[in-house]
Amino acid sequence: DTEVTQTPKHLVMGMTNKKSLKCEQHMGHRAMYWYKQKAKKPPELMFVYSYEKLSINESVPSRFSPECPNSSLLNLHLHALQPEDSALYLCASSHPKTDTQYFGPGTRLTVL
Amino acid sequence: KNQVEQSPQSLIILEGKNCTLQCNYTVSPFSNLRWYKQDTGRGPVSLTIMTFSENTKSNGRYTATLDADTKQSSLHITASQLSDSASYICVVSARGSTLGRLYFGRGTQLTVWP
Repeated sequence: DTEVTQTPKHLVMGMTNKKSLKCEQHMGHRAMYWYKQKAKKPPELMFVYSYEKLSINESVPSRFSPECPNSSLLNLHLHALQPEDSALYLCASSHPKTDTQYFGPGTRLTVL
Repeated sequence: KNQVEQSPQSLIILEGKNCTLQCNYTVSPFSNLRWYKQDTGRGPVSLTIMTFSENTKSNGRYTATLDADTKQSSLHITASQLSDSASYICVVSARGSTLGRLYFGRGTQLTVWP
């Protein structure tokens, strides 16, 4: 299995909703990442988990809450989002000894 | 400051034609450079990866070059197909950098017309 999967593919939510994005990989990678990508812009790093521990938080607002339940799963919990948070959210993973990141297909999030 | 600049910003070519995309970087110390293809609304897919000692690497109709002295890379696409329409992103990593710290270019949006 050489892919990163993300669910759901699309998500529409109101500003008062609570939702979660899920990411899964079975490549034995011990580093996992969340990125936010706006249209026609490069991905922006949000969080990095290394061996299930949060190692990087790029000053992301607390309405985004990451969670790494085990080495294969990465979640992003969303609460009280703003319309400007609408974007493509990408998950990626990498082997701890290389920095080649494998990206998932992304979740297209729309906040109304 | 570590930066990655790509040109052109967008490009339109006819099916079957060749094209070359450019990437200039100031990331130091350099570790490797990747070209990714990203279809609209999808995640980036790696095309090639090049380290300091590599000058050319091919992947089917994609050929990447790297000049580590001038800090320039190019991606050449031969015999373009409609499915090549996508954004091509140059990504550079620094040796010894913090885990996950990649430097992304803004991408070249390629459109292939029939």
